[in-house]
Amino acid sequence: KAGVTQTPRYLIKTRGQQVTLSCSPISGHRSVSWYQQTPGQGLQFLFEYFSETQRNKGNFPGRFSGRQFSNSRSEMNVSTLELGDSALYLCASGPAMGQFFGPGTRLTVL
Amino acid sequence: EDQVTQSPEALRLQEGESSSLNCSYTVSGLRGLFWYRQDPGKGPEFLFTLYSAGEEKEKERLKATLTKKESFLHITAPKPEDSATYLCAVQARNGSEKLVFGKGTKLTVNP
Repeated sequence: KAGVTQTPRYLIKTRGQQVTLSCSPISGHRSVSWYQQTPGQGLQFLFEYFSETQRNKGNFPGRFSGRQFSNSRSEMNVSTLELGDSALYLCASGPAMGQFFGPGTRLTVL
Repeated sequence: EDQVTQSPEALRLQEGESSSLNCSYTVSGLRGLFWYRQDPGKGPEFLFTLYSAGEEKEKERLKATLTKKESFLHITAPKPEDSATYLCAVQARNGSEKLVFGKGTKLTVNP
């Protein structure tokens, strides 16, 4: 069974730019959650999608958005990047009871 | 607000020296408490789920226990390959798959 795939693995952007990250969940999983991980705050919940619908959203500004496609693949977008957006962005596939995390996308904002 | 606090932040052990990691939590109705292991540059790897006070689960040198306010991850006779950051998370009984994570305990096991 293939694992969770996240692309790209590394990104370097400058302030003010926007970025799109992609996550392909495990085959058969309809739920995808996104987390931001920083050394200071740890893992913080961004949003959760199930069957193309956003079911829950964390306390992040509107610059952070996401969507899920009919094949369960998910994307998250960050507009008008700030230095503080530098982080590891993790995608989790499946329900919490059996959730698998991807390797993450390391975003660096200069 | 649901909250998870892990202690200590960092722990150094000698190979074979057993110890415990602590996870204190407050949650509006616990659906599950999770332990993950995270290696540098990788996503968290699932270890255990605990559902109710008194429950215990074991895997190799690791044993997780749960009370109404905290969970412990006991590491018996650790080996250098157990070095990693151990994360604790809770899921509330509100229909969401959202996990609230602690900041983790970085464990280093020296040979």
